[in-house]
Amino acid sequence: DGGITQSPKYLFRKEGQNVTLSCEQNLNHDAMYWYRQDPGQGLRLIYYSQIVNDFQKGDIAEGYSVSREKKESFPLTVTSAQKNPTAFYLCASRAGQTYNEQFFGPGTRLTVL
Amino acid sequence: QKEVEQNSGPLSVPEGAIASLNCTYSDRVSQSFFWYRQYSGKSPELIMSIYSNGDKEDGRFTAQLNKASQYVSLLIRDSQPSDSATYLCAVNRDRGSTLGRLYFGRGTQLTVWP
Repeated sequence: DGGITQSPKYLFRKEGQNVTLSCEQNLNHDAMYWYRQDPGQGLRLIYYSQIVNDFQKGDIAEGYSVSREKKESFPLTVTSAQKNPTAFYLCASRAGQTYNEQFFGPGTRLTVL
Repeated sequence: QKEVEQNSGPLSVPEGAIASLNCTYSDRVSQSFFWYRQYSGKSPELIMSIYSNGDKEDGRFTAQLNKASQYVSLLIRDSQPSDSATYLCAVNRDRGSTLGRLYFGRGTQLTVWP
């Protein structure tokens, strides 16, 4: 089955902790994206990557970091510098450069205790 | 000015009716437009994409694009209770590049009552 997986499904973080959210895809997609969704809000872009070993900041990158060491994997770290990290985090990938259709993983719901 | 605007709803229609969801966007050069469906607590699911002016039909769904007026709409015919969800409009923000970044609206909540 081809698709995008995210883990864990739920994550609880204490104040001052860094946590890493996993995103893996076996669709052979080059581009991957991280979004954040808050209740009643649209999705906001955190980071994106077009190719292995390259990534760019999105609109709300402060307090987050990413890596792209493998085509299949694009983990997101939520650092203690992110002041309001409680949100639903969504990873997406894009099939190709001609069209911009993005497909989402199931998401990780992060709660700060 | 928000890049993508949608009526937040809720929009409530009876089963079997046509549900009409609207979206306007601010960037005139946008080229690609998408509708996602998001059930409560779940991730968005792509249901329609449209790139050219006019209508695009897929089953019970029809997307309509009018670039001159900068709006895109989604019609759901023969609405079913299972269509009850939040519908997100997304617009490509990178004309002439391959970055593929999307702006998303806040979504319209649709309820279909039996």
